[in-house]
Amino acid sequence: EDKVVQSPLSLVVHEGDTVTLNCSYEVTNFRSLLWYKQEKKAPTFLFMLTSSGIEKKSGRLSSILDKKELFSILNITATQTGDSAIYLCAYRTTSGTYKYIFGTGTRLKVLA
Amino acid sequence: GAVVSQHPSWVICKSGTSVKIECRSLDFQATTMFWYRQFPKQSLMLMATSNEGSKATYEQGVEKDKFLINHASLTLSTLTVTSAHPEDSSFYICSARAPRASSYNEQFFGPGTRLTVL
Repeated sequence: EDKVVQSPLSLVVHEGDTVTLNCSYEVTNFRSLLWYKQEKKAPTFLFMLTSSGIEKKSGRLSSILDKKELFSILNITATQTGDSAIYLCAYRTTSGTYKYIFGTGTRLKVLA
Repeated sequence: GAVVSQHPSWVICKSGTSVKIECRSLDFQATTMFWYRQFPKQSLMLMATSNEGSKATYEQGVEKDKFLINHASLTLSTLTVTSAHPEDSSFYICSARAPRASSYNEQFFGPGTRLTVL
């Protein structure tokens, strides 16, 4: 059975800390892995990772995929209170439906 | 950019009634839309894939007679929760796939609808 597991489930840090969020997957027909940030409403897109070992960056956020070990990490440096959110990873299969299967999520809280 | 709207944002209803939630792609045509539900402090769970002009594909464990999906046009999909009960209370989110997906973001999410069944 395909599954996506994120760790930790919940994390509390202070402003300025660096955090690393993990996403491991066991799926068939893997195509890409995506990271989303969800605050109060709909998830907002962060990254899509298809190739192994290529880091993607956006400001203080970066992410990388390891297709051999079947995991991805999301790094956030110099955290701010505005980074407090649920971070979701999802995989997309190569099958024709283009559906996404989401992981369990990591709830991050950044304290001032 | 691609915008997806949902209506209503919030709905409170009595047990036994049916509730319809609309998902619209505002500036693009979406051949495929997806419906998710999210319980408090949990992740998004895919309920079904909605294809324009054909029957929806439901994920395992989702009752198709309970959650009716209609994708009558390229910009509108509706989810009807029939005979709603308190356990159906949840956050329902739709997403739409643009026919020409970008390299980086292929699904565009709506703002969600919070359903509370009393």
